[in-house]
Formats: sequence, C-alpha cells, structure tokens
Amino acid sequence: QVQLAESGGGVVLPGRSLRLSCAVSGITFSSNAMHWVRQAPGKGLEWVAVISDDGSNTYYADSMKGRFTISRDNFKNTLFLQMNSLRPEDTAVYYCARDPNYHRTGSWGWFHPWGQGTLVTVSS
Amino acid sequence: DIQMTQSPSSLSASVGDRVTITCRASQDVRKYVNWYQQKPGKAPELLIYEASNLEIGVPSRFSGSGSGTDFTLTISSLQPEDIATYFCQQYHTLYTFGQGTKLELK
Repeated sequence: QVQLAESGGGVVLPGRSLRLSCAVSGITFSSNAMHWVRQAPGKGLEWVAVISDDGSNTYYADSMKGRFTISRDNFKNTLFLQMNSLRPEDTAVYYCARDPNYHRTGSWGWFHPWGQGTLVTVSS
Repeated sequence: DIQMTQSPSSLSASVGDRVTITCRASQDVRKYVNWYQQKPGKAPELLIYEASNLEIGVPSRFSGSGSGTDFTLTISSLQPEDIATYFCQQYHTLYTFGQGTKLELK
C-alpha cells in the first residue's frame, strides 16, 4: 500500500523560508515522478512542481519559479520542497503526490495517491 | 497557460439522480484530462485518468468522456457518499485544475 506523509508545515513570517518533506513508502520511490500541489484555505487546487524519478528534470508553476525548489533523496525515499521568500499568498495546505503515468510511460500524467497534506501559514 | 473552466460551480441533486459536470479547456488538450474527488478535510482522490479511464477501486457509477476541449464527468446514480467537490485537471501542458464543482444533496 502506497503511503505518503508530508511534514514541515507551520507558521512562518513573510520573507522567511520553510522546507517541506514527504516520506514515501509502499512503492519503489526511485522509479516514480513526484509532485507538489497546494490548496489555499477554501480555494481550489494549484499545481506547484514536479520532479522526475531520478531528479534530473524539474518543472515549476510560474508563480513559484525562482522561489521554490523541488528535490528528492532516493536513498531515504523522501521528497522535499524548499520554499524561500514566502508570501502571505503562499498560505495553503501542501500535498505531495505520485505520478503513476510517468512510471508506466515516461510521460507526465496524474496525481495518485496523495498525502494528507501539511498546512503552511505565512503571516506576521 | 491552459485554462480549465468547470461548470457548474455548485450543484444540488438528489440520491439516484444522474449528475453531469463539464470542463472546458482553453485550447485543445487531446485526451489529457483527469478528474478528482475531494471530501471536506481530506486530500483529493483520483477518479478518472486520461479522460475516460476509471481508476481501480472507483465505483462504476463514475464515468468520464471527451477529447479536445470539452470533457464530462458523469455520476450515473448519485449516492450520499458522492457528496464532495470535483476537480478536472489537464496535463497536456504542465498542469492546470478547474476551479471545482461542489456537489450537494437536495
């Protein structure tokens, strides 16, 4: 059974940094592309970033480019999101999710399963 | 950027009703659309991938169709446990979600 568990959320001042983690079990982590998706309180879903199985390819949503960095440690089965220069509008629940299509076909696809999410609140 | 426009934004239906939610892409996304269900306080769950493929374990009352710019999620007979918010998502060019459709019981 695939399990994803995010951690590292909390309250942070504007302009500060935060690093999120996502521990993955139940799959061969190193064979799977992984995503971060966020959801502001009461709002819809917003894709943040994706990383290929070996970490060689990363892509970001425009609003996060240059401030957020996605990375992974395939020895520790862990996905990361380094968030710098945080803004109040970055306040959201951040989810990690696996991309099962990438594992099958080498092409990006969908998000399944998802972790339970970790709340990041950017506020003074 | 590709925009995904869902309609309606909210919907009230009765148990047993046939429910249809639509999603329109701002440009041709071929068949690269997925659908998710999100219940309050929970993470989203994949229902349909690649426009019409039912994810394993998802009840057969859910179905998806469409290609190009117009896509549909259908629940053939609404059950109480289907009350949730539904999102479409394109992956033709990076990833974009629709704004969501909140489904409520009448």
